[in-house]
Amino acid sequence: EAQVTQNPRYLITVTGKKLTVTCSQNMNHEYMSWYRQDPGLGLRQIYYSMNVEVTDKGDVPEGYKVSRKEKRNFPLILESPSPNQTSLYFCASSWDRVDTGELFFGEGSRLTVL
Amino acid sequence: KNEVEQSPQNLTAQEGEFITINCSYSVGISALHWLQQHPGGGIVSLFMLSSGKKKHGRLIATINIQEKHSSLHITASHPRDSAVYICGGANFGNEKLTFGTGTRLTIIP
Repeated sequence: EAQVTQNPRYLITVTGKKLTVTCSQNMNHEYMSWYRQDPGLGLRQIYYSMNVEVTDKGDVPEGYKVSRKEKRNFPLILESPSPNQTSLYFCASSWDRVDTGELFFGEGSRLTVL
Repeated sequence: KNEVEQSPQNLTAQEGEFITINCSYSVGISALHWLQQHPGGGIVSLFMLSSGKKKHGRLIATINIQEKHSSLHITASHPRDSAVYICGGANFGNEKLTFGTGTRLTIIP
């Protein structure tokens, strides 16, 4: 089954404790991206990647890192989480450019930073 | 002001009504995505379009790139259509995506 898988789905952590949210897709998609969703602000893009070893900043990259060492995986790293990073996070992929194909989303990861 | 604006923010209608959700954007885009998010959070892609009109079942999406406007229509609305509908623009010249804050649709039986 074609899917985008995120882990963990739910996480409560404390300020400053490094964490990684994994994202994996099994569709051989070129494009992968991360978003955070906050009430009243909607979906905001954090980082995106067009291919292996190619990553670019979205609108809200501060406090986040990503890597794309393999085509199928695109982890989101919070080196020193802070309470303002409490949010619902989505990973998405697309077979090529975002103006040529639909987006496939993971189920979301709800992160709480205390 | 957000680069992508949706209207209305909230919409309540009776089952069977024709629904229109609007999306306008202030930046140049090469394509626009319409997404659906049901309570519980999962996001599903409905349409990606760069010109004209697309139809899938009871859903129709239109776009006028020059006028920077897109609409999502739902015919014969049903309670299962109750969800948040989100539009997002693929920025021209790069692969960034900018989304509106969503329209919450409630269909009453």
